[in-house]
Amino acid sequence: SYELTQPPSVSVSPGQTASITCSGDKLGDKYASWYQQKPGQSPVLVIYQDTKRPSGIPERFSGSNSGNTATLTISGTQAMDEADYYCQAWVSNTVVFGGGTKLTVL
Amino acid sequence: EVQLVESGGGLVQPGGSLRLSCAASGFTFSSRWMSWVRQAPGKGLEWVANINQDVSEKYFVDSVKGRFSISRDNAKNSLYLQMNSLRAEDTAVYYCVKVGLQRGYFDYWGQGTLITVSS
Repeated sequence: SYELTQPPSVSVSPGQTASITCSGDKLGDKYASWYQQKPGQSPVLVIYQDTKRPSGIPERFSGSNSGNTATLTISGTQAMDEADYYCQAWVSNTVVFGGGTKLTVL
Repeated sequence: EVQLVESGGGLVQPGGSLRLSCAASGFTFSSRWMSWVRQAPGKGLEWVANINQDVSEKYFVDSVKGRFSISRDNAKNSLYLQMNSLRAEDTAVYYCVKVGLQRGYFDYWGQGTLITVSS
């Protein structure tokens, strides 16, 4: 079965750039999406179709996907961005999530 | 405004059954794939099931195949998840999720409903 691998944790200083990776076999041939989840809340879509931002998502969130790796980049990271982030891909009408990455802003 | 409101959660004994419902509003329900995603306590997200617009296609994660079924009533703007032969490992918050227009992603999530499987 298809798997997506994320680092368990990433730390970043306020104002700096955070990068969260998601690895999967030929992931670049599929579309990757990213979700932000804060404690006690439902996930929120922040990036879809590799690079697109839904309405209301700040411009500091961006995405890329090539080869075997998709990357979520948060530029000028703010304290409010501290959360769990999950990548996701649609594989033959089933869905796969990465294990999630806890982003700490310190 | 898109709203997805789950109901039907609670405590159930191992081997028992439960039916979750999701009331959708704020979009043309009949035109979208819908899904269920779950999250065990302190764990990550796990996709459970997909259903297409006219119920001709249904897909499940391997761990629930043969035990769970997904259905929808487009006249009532409602999505359902029938869960049978429940196990302790099914304990999770279950989210009703709207699939994006081009499929492939989830653009709106409900608030979730907690299912606890325990004796």
